[in-house]
Amino acid sequence: NAGVTQTPKFQVLKTGQSMTLQCAQDMNHEYMSWYRQDPGMGLRLIHYSVGAGITDQGEVPNGYNVSRSTTEDFPLRLLSAAPSQTSVYFCASSRPNRGPTDTQYFGPGTRLTVL
Amino acid sequence: ELKVEQNPLFLSMQEGKNYTIYCNYSTTSDRLYWYRQDPGKSLESLFVLLSNGAVKQEGRLMASLDTKARLSTLHITAAVHDLSATYFCAVLHNDYKLSFGAGTTVTVRA
Repeated sequence: NAGVTQTPKFQVLKTGQSMTLQCAQDMNHEYMSWYRQDPGMGLRLIHYSVGAGITDQGEVPNGYNVSRSTTEDFPLRLLSAAPSQTSVYFCASSRPNRGPTDTQYFGPGTRLTVL
Repeated sequence: ELKVEQNPLFLSMQEGKNYTIYCNYSTTSDRLYWYRQDPGKSLESLFVLLSNGAVKQEGRLMASLDTKARLSTLHITAAVHDLSATYFCAVLHNDYKLSFGAGTTVTVRA
């Protein structure tokens, strides 16, 4: 199992450019989510999905779009990048019927800089 | 909106001594997590706490949960250099949403 994978690892964008951050998992997890991590603020939930075709907003969804066409993939789209979106982005996945030891598994992260 | 507060935010530990990190949260939840993050790395799961009075231990780390007080603690026994990292607590609400604390950056000195 590769677990949760994210591409790219690093990205530099200019203001106004668009891009897609990729996230994939091979654990057959129904639940997937995107977080951003900024210094001193912990992680904040952007969007999440409870299964293919179902997505919902988290705490900080503005400026980001998601879709979930398959169980494995959950891409995050920045439509028009802004400097405020400079951050480290983490994708995570977990099972929907959580057992006593279940947790969210995090990908390695994408470090995004918007100039 | 669920708020999660950790303190302290920075903790300088001396090797061999004991310390505690606190995690308070504002609304009821049925699940609390502790994660560790090394610089430039992803998050590693440490503990999942499900019920009031739950206590879990792994090596020098012990986590506990008091749902009535909405408080979880992460206790570090006899700190060693390898424990230097940032520790996050996260609280699950509305079934699928995780809210994180700001993190506690731990530095262990000789």
